[in-house]
Amino acid sequence: DTEVTQTPKHLVMGMTNKKSLKCEQHMGHRAMYWYKQKAKKPPELMFVYSYEKLSINESVPSRFSPECPNSSLLNLHLHALQPEDSALYLCASSQDNGRNTIYFGEGSWLTVV
Amino acid sequence: KQEVTQIPAALSVPEGENLVLNCSFTDSAIYNLQWFRQDPGKGLTSLLLIQSSQREQTSGRLNASLDKSSGRSTLYIAASQPGDSATYLCAVRLNQAGTALIFGKGTTLSVSS
Repeated sequence: DTEVTQTPKHLVMGMTNKKSLKCEQHMGHRAMYWYKQKAKKPPELMFVYSYEKLSINESVPSRFSPECPNSSLLNLHLHALQPEDSALYLCASSQDNGRNTIYFGEGSWLTVV
Repeated sequence: KQEVTQIPAALSVPEGENLVLNCSFTDSAIYNLQWFRQDPGKGLTSLLLIQSSQREQTSGRLNASLDKSSGRSTLYIAASQPGDSATYLCAVRLNQAGTALIFGKGTTLSVSS
C-alpha cells in the first residue's frame, strides 16, 4: 500500500473563513510534506515534517498553519486566505527525509473567493 | 541554488514511437532523482527513483538513466501508447539532511492513436 489520502478533494472558501486540509498515510513514513501547485507550474515546497517536528518552512505566510498530530496525520489550517492562494495542495510522505521514494496524494483543489 | 530544467516542454508523438525526455540539474550533490507522472488535475505518481550511486532504473517500458557528474537524467519510454499522455516531472533530492524535492517544470507528452 503506497497510498497518501487527502481530504477534501475540492474546497471553496471565502477570505474570512477558517478551514483545514487533511492528509493521512499508513505506510509508517516519518517524513511528511505539503506542496502547493499552481496551474501549469511544478509543485513548490511549503513545509516538511520529520518525526512529527517541523523541519522546513519555506517562508510560507502565516495564514497557512501546518500541524502534525501524529506520525500518520498532517493537517494544513487555512485562515484569511487570498484569491491568489487558490491552487492544488499536495501532501506527500516518505520513509525518512533522505534517500527514499516520496509518495504523493491526489491533492486538494482549493478555490478562495 | 539547485535548478532543474526539463526539455522539451511539450512533445507530441504517434503511438508506438520510442521517446526520450531530458532533465538537467545544476548541482551534482544530490541524494537521488525521481521521475513522476501527473495526469491533468491529479496528484503525482512516482515512476522511478534513481539513487546518486546508480546509473539507471527500469520499470516495464520505462528506463531512467542518471549521469550525476554531468547533471543529466533521461527518461526513455518504449513503444508509447495514448495512455502515456501526461506531464512528466523530474525532481532531485539535495544531498543535505531535511531537504525535499526540487522539481523541473515538466514535459507534457501527447501520444496520438
